[in-house]
Amino acid sequence: QVKLVESGGGVVQSGRSLRLSCAGSGFTFKNYAMHWVRQAPGKGLEWVALITYDGDNKYYTNSAKGRFTISRDNSKNTLYLQMSRLSPEDTAVYHCVKVRSTLTTFVDAMDLWGQGTLVTVSS
Amino acid sequence: EIVMTQSPATLSALPGARATLSCRASESISINLAWYQHKPGQAPRLLIYGASTRATGLPARFSGSGSGTEFTLTISSLQSEDFALYYCQQYNNWPLWTFGQGTKVELK
Repeated sequence: QVKLVESGGGVVQSGRSLRLSCAGSGFTFKNYAMHWVRQAPGKGLEWVALITYDGDNKYYTNSAKGRFTISRDNSKNTLYLQMSRLSPEDTAVYHCVKVRSTLTTFVDAMDLWGQGTLVTVSS
Repeated sequence: EIVMTQSPATLSALPGARATLSCRASESISINLAWYQHKPGQAPRLLIYGASTRATGLPARFSGSGSGTEFTLTISSLQSEDFALYYCQQYNNWPLWTFGQGTKVELK
């Protein structure tokens, strides 16, 4: 079964750090670029970060630059999001998402989503 | 940043009705547009990519069209499982992938 399962969410105080994980299974994880996409309560979807299939290139939305780090361990089929200096505005469900195309092609749709993990930042 | 604007915000319809959802990009994105379906508590699901290509296994009642700045998702005959939130997303202008604010398709 092809799936992504996020973990690591929870309640954290403003200014603290948290690391999210996402385990992929049922597909060749190392061949695909991966995104993190979040959804704040009552809001729409917001792209957060992307990492290429080999981990060599990483891209972030402006609000995440300098605070969040996306990484991956292809030997463990796992994607990570290290979040630091968290603020209440980061409160959201964080989804791990697979890019549809393989290898170097990451400018494509997102074809597999995890259910997400909830991060709540208290002030 | 390319702004994606969806309309209407809410579409109320009966089962069997035709539903037409619109998405407009603030500048041309060619056909680099996807549509997703999202139900509460579930993972979003890819419906359409390349503006008009159905994802694997998607029923034929779903169709996408458009290019440039104007796009449409049509559900030809609404089924009970189709009542959900729908988002469009552009992947032409990277690295800043952007989504529309969503259209809720609800039971009238």
